[in-house]
Amino acid sequence: EPEVTQTPSHQVTQMGQEVILRCVPISNHLYFYWYRQILGQKVEFLVSFYNNEISEKSEIFDDQFSVERPDGSNFTLKIRSTKLEDSAMYFCASSEGQGGWEPQHFGDGTRLSIL
Amino acid sequence: GDSVTQMEGPVTLSEEAFLTINCTYTATGYPSLFWYVQYPGEGLQLLLKATKADDKGSNKGFEATYRKETTSFHLEKGSVQVSDSAVYFCALTPMDSSYKLIFGSGTRLLVRP
Repeated sequence: EPEVTQTPSHQVTQMGQEVILRCVPISNHLYFYWYRQILGQKVEFLVSFYNNEISEKSEIFDDQFSVERPDGSNFTLKIRSTKLEDSAMYFCASSEGQGGWEPQHFGDGTRLSIL
Repeated sequence: GDSVTQMEGPVTLSEEAFLTINCTYTATGYPSLFWYVQYPGEGLQLLLKATKADDKGSNKGFEATYRKETTSFHLEKGSVQVSDSAVYFCALTPMDSSYKLIFGSGTRLLVRP
């Protein structure tokens, strides 16, 4: 069964540095998402992406964050000037269609640790 | 805004016991409802879904019925196995053409042999 793959599985970064989290969505999917889960808290929506532009973003997704689909397969989340509170598990997801009709398929996540 | 509330865990059961994990939601109109499961060290996997009132989602022996009158989507399984030990997340997608999933806080299930 096709999978969403995320790399790296664990990223350790010094505070203030930039980090790029990578995702390869399922090949025929058109909608892409990032979520994060701070330890002990809920999984939170960050951003959705369709047709090479952001479709929706949460209030968490401020100017520190950006997303890109640099080629036909990768989908990246860039976090600039990382802060301690950015430490979390980041999940990428993709779906064939939008909304509730098409389920989102998740990767195994990247654990980001900011020191 | 829209939200999902789940019963707090952990839930500890013996093998073959009956499972119920409660989930209620607050939303405008008729959101789509989901249960996702996260096994240790893995990502979130879709377990089942329901897109309209009175729909029953089912998969791998798990069931949940979309109850509009009680705004609930409780997860049930008649006989749990040790391999069902995981964290279970209830979630919704709003009906306002939003793309996002709104998750509950998750319920950890531990099944003992």
